[in-house]
Amino acid sequence: DVKVTQSSRYLVKRTGEKVFLECVQDMDHENMFWYRQDPGLGLRLIYFSYDVKMKEKGDIPEGYSVSREKKERFSLILESASTNQTSMYLCASTSGGTEDSYNEQFFGPGTRLTVL
Amino acid sequence: KQEVTQIPAALSVPEGENLVLNCSFTDSAIYNLQWFRQDPGKGLTSLLLIQSSQREQTSGRLNASLDKSSGRSTLYIAASQPGDSATYLCAVLGAYKYIFGTGTRLKVLA
Repeated sequence: DVKVTQSSRYLVKRTGEKVFLECVQDMDHENMFWYRQDPGLGLRLIYFSYDVKMKEKGDIPEGYSVSREKKERFSLILESASTNQTSMYLCASTSGGTEDSYNEQFFGPGTRLTVL
Repeated sequence: KQEVTQIPAALSVPEGENLVLNCSFTDSAIYNLQWFRQDPGKGLTSLLLIQSSQREQTSGRLNASLDKSSGRSTLYIAASQPGDSATYLCAVLGAYKYIFGTGTRLKVLA
């Protein structure tokens, strides 16, 4: 059974803390994505990676960075957490080297982050 | 810029009804379209993927169609059940990025 796992389901942090969210997939997928989901705004892409050590900015990268040292693991880093980063964070992965070969996108269970 | 719209935003139906959820997109240059289900507080579960060269896909009681030229996809749910209650999202793929609609919140009443 294919699986995308995220390190925490719920997380509470203080303003200014450095926060690490980890995502692991066991499907040998090339592409991995980080989204945030907010009521009324839907899912918005923060960063994505199409290969190890490669990363591309999504639509809302400000305040975030990412790391992909191994194919199966994609980490999202909040350099200095702020209250407006309180959100549901979702990780996803898909196979395919180019867009026309992309397959299903699989999601993790999400991390509900609260920044106080 | 690609925009994806889902109508209606919310839908409440009695059990057993056949129903149609709509997804429209503004740029027809897409590689694929995927339908998802999301339960409250959970991640997204993939339901159906339609590649740009395909017209429809079926899985059990679900059927999704794609008309690229008109920028539309529909998700047909046959014989709805209370367990189908969830938010349904569509997403289109173009230029390495998926763009999501804001979803249709479905409630099936027993």
